[in-house]
Amino acid sequence: EPEVTQTPSHQVTQMGQEVILRCVPISNHLYFYWYRQILGQKVEFLVSFYNNEISEKSEIFDDQFSVERPDGSNFTLKIRSTKLEDSAMYFCASSIDLTGHHTQYFGPGTRLTVL
Amino acid sequence: DQQVKQNSPSLSVQEGRISILNCDYTNSMFDYFLWYKKYPAEGPTFLISISSIKDKNEDGRFTVFLNKSAKHLSLHIVPSQPGDSAVYFCAARDSGGGADGLTFGKGTHLIIQP
Repeated sequence: EPEVTQTPSHQVTQMGQEVILRCVPISNHLYFYWYRQILGQKVEFLVSFYNNEISEKSEIFDDQFSVERPDGSNFTLKIRSTKLEDSAMYFCASSIDLTGHHTQYFGPGTRLTVL
Repeated sequence: DQQVKQNSPSLSVQEGRISILNCDYTNSMFDYFLWYKKYPAEGPTFLISISSIKDKNEDGRFTVFLNKSAKHLSLHIVPSQPGDSAVYFCAARDSGGGADGLTFGKGTHLIIQP
């Protein structure tokens, strides 16, 4: 069964460094998402991406964040200058919405630790 | 501002019995609701969904009920099995369009006791 994959599974970085989290969405899906979950808190929406542009973003997704689909398969989240509070699990998701199927399928996540 | 609320942080149920997980929402623009199951260190796994035009959806041991007037939905698992022990998240989507992000509840940790 097709699934969303994410790399790396765990990323450790120093505060102020740039990180890029990678995702390969399900191949025939049209919409791509990033979410995060800070330890002990709920899953929070960051951004959605459709037709090679951002469709919607939350207030969390400030200028330090960017997303890109550099080729036909990868979908990336870049954090330009990481802060301690960026430490969280980051989940990629994808969905297809041709006939009203809004179900989003999630990847296994990348644990980001900012020191 | 909790638009999706799961008021029970944990629930313990005996194996073979019915598990009922509850979720309340405040945003009347939500038109699609989903339940996800999550194990530690894994991503949320989709379980079942329901559109706001329905009041019930069933898939095997899982049934979701939606009461729009009460802004309440519930997930029933019957019979409960040990592998069902996980955190269950209720999520909702605004009716604005296909790319809308989901709003999640805080989750309920379901523990199935043998």
